[in-house]
Amino acid sequence: QKEVEQNSGPLSVPEGAIASLNCTYSDRGSQSFFWYRQYSGKSPELIMSIYSNGDKEDGRFTAQLNKASQYVSLLIRDSQPSDSATYLCAVKGPGYGGATNKLIFGTGTLLAVQP
Amino acid sequence: NAGVMQNPRHLVRRRGQEARLRCSPMKGHSHVYWYRQLPEEGLKFMVYLQKENIIDESGMPKERFSAEFPKEGPSILRIQQVVRGDSAAYFCASSRLASGELFFGEGSRLTVL
Repeated sequence: QKEVEQNSGPLSVPEGAIASLNCTYSDRGSQSFFWYRQYSGKSPELIMSIYSNGDKEDGRFTAQLNKASQYVSLLIRDSQPSDSATYLCAVKGPGYGGATNKLIFGTGTLLAVQP
Repeated sequence: NAGVMQNPRHLVRRRGQEARLRCSPMKGHSHVYWYRQLPEEGLKFMVYLQKENIIDESGMPKERFSAEFPKEGPSILRIQQVVRGDSAAYFCASSRLASGELFFGEGSRLTVL
């Protein structure tokens, strides 16, 4: 079982729609969760972090975390063609009990927003 | 305010040669991470360092690969006797705290002929 799993996509949505990206993780001790965006040929950039159960909103982005289900999601409202990129889910362990602070990434979901 | 600086951006080596990739973290950042990314694949963790210390090298191949982050100067990822399978993009990232909020460099793209 992979540590962090994402559907590779592509996920195609029309402009203006809501894009929903999902991620599951295997380590119940994980404490911190992140979404990074990577444009083709570029480096990843952090767009959201979430640490506790529930929703966290930042502009058009909403991150959702459910630790009981080991599930993280990212919603992008009013999707724009400029949102077309690969979205990487990343999970960090607690940093104790033998688990260091390394960040484990999923393979990413390719989002394509159609004009 | 300079970001994470990696060089070289592109490196071509023949099989059996050595590759050295350098990374200067953002100012004020003492945590450095190296990741490898193959085409159409995600980021694979290689090593996590703080100044003069390797904290976690669990993702690094046991042979031919080494990393350091000296007291002065950039972090260096060294690959000895490169093989074609080492061709990839190598990303360095840094953080101020061990928080998981990483800032990535533009990457070094290694091609082994």
